[in-house]
Amino acid sequence: ILNVEQSPQSLHVQEGDSTNFTCSFPSSNFYALHWYRWETAKSPEALFVMTLNGDEKKKGRISATLNTKEGYSYLYIKGSQPEDSATYLCAYAGGTSYGKLTFGQGTILTVHP
Amino acid sequence: EPEVTQTPSHQVTQMGQEVILRCVPISNHLYFYWYRQILGQKVEFLVSFYNNEISEKSEIFDDQFSVERPDGSNFTLKIRSTKLEDSAMYFCASSGTSVSYNEQFFGPGTRLTVL
Repeated sequence: ILNVEQSPQSLHVQEGDSTNFTCSFPSSNFYALHWYRWETAKSPEALFVMTLNGDEKKKGRISATLNTKEGYSYLYIKGSQPEDSATYLCAYAGGTSYGKLTFGQGTILTVHP
Repeated sequence: EPEVTQTPSHQVTQMGQEVILRCVPISNHLYFYWYRQILGQKVEFLVSFYNNEISEKSEIFDDQFSVERPDGSNFTLKIRSTKLEDSAMYFCASSGTSVSYNEQFFGPGTRLTVL
């Protein structure tokens, strides 16, 4: 059974704070690690798809790093804004999958004005 | 911008009834998926579908479940005889290729409540 874990489960920060969360995943048979941003009542929105060890991706104030050898990825948000409040999901693709994603439980971020 | 749509947004049904959840994937995508999230649990994979057949399915996806692409646009998930434990948010997703690193686009979900 594949285990993808995210921490922390929830996070409360003040506007302007920088924050980060962790996703851990199996390091064997790795294909890709996906990060999604999910606001209530909306579709989960893809942030990054990461495939290479040492990869670092950035979209505006959000960035992510990947370590496939030890099986973890970090998501960073610089200068958090209230509109960043959402659930951040990571999902692992690997093994003999045909695109099957195995999700972590998510990190719920709340940014207070 | 193209998006995945799902209908209905909320479905309430009685235990034992059949339900059909509908999805319209992005038009030029080739691979289609269903996932679900039971309240308080992780999003979990149900099934992937390509070229009019199932590519992969999870142990959850038993004989009570079926998928179909009845025309060029819709992708449906049928649950033949719903159980209380089928209550969940069901997500449809589509992607352009089968390579696992290709982005999957998700719909907003259908919340299924089985009474």
